[in-house]
Amino acid sequence: NAGVTQTPKFQVLKTGQSMTLQCAQDMNHEYMSWYRQDPGMGLRLIHYSVGAGITDQGEVPNGYNVSRSTTEDFPLRLLSAAPSQTSVYFCASRLGGDTQYFGPGTRLTVL
Amino acid sequence: AQSVSQHNHHVILSEAASLELGCNYSYGGTVNLFWYVQYPGQHLQLLLKYFSGDPLVKGIKGFEAEFIKSKFSFNLRKPSVQWSDTAEYFCAVNALSQSSGYALNFGKGTSLLVTP
Repeated sequence: NAGVTQTPKFQVLKTGQSMTLQCAQDMNHEYMSWYRQDPGMGLRLIHYSVGAGITDQGEVPNGYNVSRSTTEDFPLRLLSAAPSQTSVYFCASRLGGDTQYFGPGTRLTVL
Repeated sequence: AQSVSQHNHHVILSEAASLELGCNYSYGGTVNLFWYVQYPGQHLQLLLKYFSGDPLVKGIKGFEAEFIKSKFSFNLRKPSVQWSDTAEYFCAVNALSQSSGYALNFGKGTSLLVTP
């Protein structure tokens, strides 16, 4: 199993650009989520999904969009990047209430 | 809304000192509890978890945690830390209810620095 994979690992954007962060898992987990990690703020939940076709907002959803067309994939879209979105983004997946597995992260800088 | 509080944001210890990191949560229903560790430059990894049963759980690398239901606490302990334990530690709580979206909520983390 590859576990949870994320691409890209690093990205630099200009303000106003859009992009998609990719996330995939091969563990057949129904629950997937996106977090952003900022110094002193811990991990904050952006969006999550409890299964294909079902998504919901987390704590900090503004400026981000998600979709879940398959069990494996859960891309995160930045609609119009802003400097405040400079962060490290982690995708995660789990089965029910069990252990959550994290991807390696994407370090995003918005200039 | 449920929340997870970690008492210490930064902890500095000498090698061989004992460690205790506090974690409290605010949710009255059934929960699963976790401690994750993030070594410098890496992603989060599971340290230990509690679902039910013995409230004292043992994890990897000599870590343990005790669930005290009456205090809504899940404190992490290690009798003797090593330099390689330098990392950020996150407490997480999974509220097992549909109304909460089964969300996994994290504390803000505790940065541990172990000096030689």
